Amino acid sequence: DTGVSQDPRHKITKRGQNVTFRCDPISEHNRLYWYRQTLGQGPEFLTYFQNEAQLEKSRLLSDRFSAERPKGSFSTLEIQRTEQGDSAMYLCASSFDRSNQPQHFGDGTRLSIL
Amino acid sequence: DAKTTQPPSMDCAEGRAANLPCNHSTISGNEYVYWYRQIHSQGPQYIIHGLKNNETNEMASLIITEDRKSSTLILPHATLRDTAVYYCIVRPPGSRLTFGKGITLSVRP
Repeated sequence: DTGVSQDPRHKITKRGQNVTFRCDPISEHNRLYWYRQTLGQGPEFLTYFQNEAQLEKSRLLSDRFSAERPKGSFSTLEIQRTEQGDSAMYLCASSFDRSNQPQHFGDGTRLSIL
Repeated sequence: DAKTTQPPSMDCAEGRAANLPCNHSTISGNEYVYWYRQIHSQGPQYIIHGLKNNETNEMASLIITEDRKSSTLILPHATLRDTAVYYCIVRPPGSRLTFGKGITLSVRP
């Protein structure tokens, strides 16, 4: 399967713990995006990378959130000191670096905070 | 905020064409129309996109009006597996995707 891969698929943790998610994009894609989706809503943009550079961050990305993409390949999204409101599906997408190219999504990591 | 308006839901019979409407009256000249769908517990799946010409691929057809203020996604022969939330998105080149609530398509046997 050469699609976008996300790990883990599900994560359950206690409030206050730190969590880290991983995204492996489609190998030829140099743009990588993170989105968050809560129940009944469409996905909301969090941040995106072009190669290893983080070019845009949403105001939804509080100080407790950090994303990295070392060497421009896979990316990690870390949430520190998790809160109940962080419970959501975290989606990763990737695309070619051309203006109208579509983003292709993984199946997400579902985070549940106890 | 999403720049598109979609009805909240619609249904169609299996085997018939499903025509999903979308209004985007404030679309700018360089913005593309994208369609994605999302089946429960999966990530959004790219379907098709276009600028001003009608587009067709193996999944669907996209019809964009001449003034570009609305479009229709056509699934020519809907199956039960097409039951999903369908998102119509207007996107400036190279930017993020801004999702609305989409339209829930229910295909009935």
